[in-house]
Amino acid sequence: KAGVTQTPRYLIKTRGQQVTLSCSPISGHRSVSWYQQTPGQGLQFLFEYFSETQRNKGNFPGRFSGRQFSNSRSEMNVSTLELGDSALYLCASSSEGANYGYTFGSGTRLTVV
Amino acid sequence: AQTVTQSQPEMSVQEAETVTLSCTYDTSESDYYLFWYKQPPSRQMILVIRQEAYKQQNATENRFSVNFQKAAKSFSLKISDSQLGDAAMYFCAYDDYGGSQGNLIFGKGTKLSVKP
Repeated sequence: KAGVTQTPRYLIKTRGQQVTLSCSPISGHRSVSWYQQTPGQGLQFLFEYFSETQRNKGNFPGRFSGRQFSNSRSEMNVSTLELGDSALYLCASSSEGANYGYTFGSGTRLTVV
Repeated sequence: AQTVTQSQPEMSVQEAETVTLSCTYDTSESDYYLFWYKQPPSRQMILVIRQEAYKQQNATENRFSVNFQKAAKSFSLKISDSQLGDAAMYFCAYDDYGGSQGNLIFGKGTKLSVKP
């Protein structure tokens, strides 16, 4: 069974640009959530999608947005990049029922210069 | 709001010995999940063990076991027969399942070093 796939692995962007990150969940998982990981703030929840609907959102500015497609793949977008957006972005897909839990991808390392 | 606290920023253990990582959390919910994740330098968060709050029995996975004290809101991870490959950041996480969907709340992590 393939795991959670995040692309790209690394990105370098300039302040003011926008970026799109992609996440393909485990087959059959309908929920995808996104997290930002930084040395200072640790792991922070961005948002969660289930069947193409955003069910939950963390405390991030509107520059951070996401969406989910009918095949459960998800993208997150960050517009008008700031230096402080440099982070590891992790996505996780989750199953329900007896095997409830979260499986994470390897993340996308975003560097804003 | 729920919080998760890991009071040990760093821990060290000798290979083949046992180490316990601490985690406390705060919640007013009665039904929730707790997880321990391992993050090696490769960055991927790997699920180590999962505990459902309504289950009194402590979860175990091979060399990994937890001591879940619901009343005390404590969830410690014990690693037995430590191996060099256990060296990583360990994160404790809380999920109130069905409440805030997808919103895992993480502690700050404990960096575990394993000495040969």
